[in-house]
Amino acid sequence: AQSVTQLDSQVPVFEEAPVELRCNYSSSVSVYLFWYVQYPNQGLQLLLKYLSGSTLVKSINGFEAEFNKSQTSFHLRKPSVHISDTAEYFCAVSDPFNKFYFGSGTKLNVKP
Amino acid sequence: DTAVSQTPKYLVTQMGNDKSIKCEQNLGHDTMYWYKQDSKKFLKIMFSYNNKELIINETVPNRFSPKSPDKAHLNLHINSLELGDSAVYFCASSQTSLARLDEQYFGPGTRLTVT
Repeated sequence: AQSVTQLDSQVPVFEEAPVELRCNYSSSVSVYLFWYVQYPNQGLQLLLKYLSGSTLVKSINGFEAEFNKSQTSFHLRKPSVHISDTAEYFCAVSDPFNKFYFGSGTKLNVKP
Repeated sequence: DTAVSQTPKYLVTQMGNDKSIKCEQNLGHDTMYWYKQDSKKFLKIMFSYNNKELIINETVPNRFSPKSPDKAHLNLHINSLELGDSAVYFCASSQTSLARLDEQYFGPGTRLTVT
């Protein structure tokens, strides 16, 4: 079975500072990797995903994540965060059977 | 327009009751899902329907019964509610059943509290 670990339940950071949200996974099969974001009182939204090809994937709002197969990681980074990035971020993997496995989420709190 | 909507948003009920949560998507998607988010924030797939047919049925108690009257609706009925059923339930949809390729669109969640 697959599992996803997000070690940091909360990450406080000041505006314009860089941030990294960590995600590690375990799997015995090939997986696809995702980051979802949940803004307050809203459902989860896809932020970015890795299916194949370049290991560095980027979102339209400045986030990027790098797939590292040897370390089984898919950490999410942003070089300079905004107040509007305050949200909860969920890492997920899907297996060849199209089942999704989510991490427990990381709350990013951007302070002015 | 809300893409994936769920009703109710909050549900407080007593043990032993039967309750339903409704989900509707107006995206024209073929596949819908129910997830349960437990107290530790883990999201776990419960069911998935593709064109009204059940395609994923994880190990959940028989007290949980999904119903899809049409491909735009996937309701979740829960019989004989227990304290452990307290959680946030998310509905989602995707264009096809190939969830790893298609983006899943999530509803805002239904917070169920069983007392």
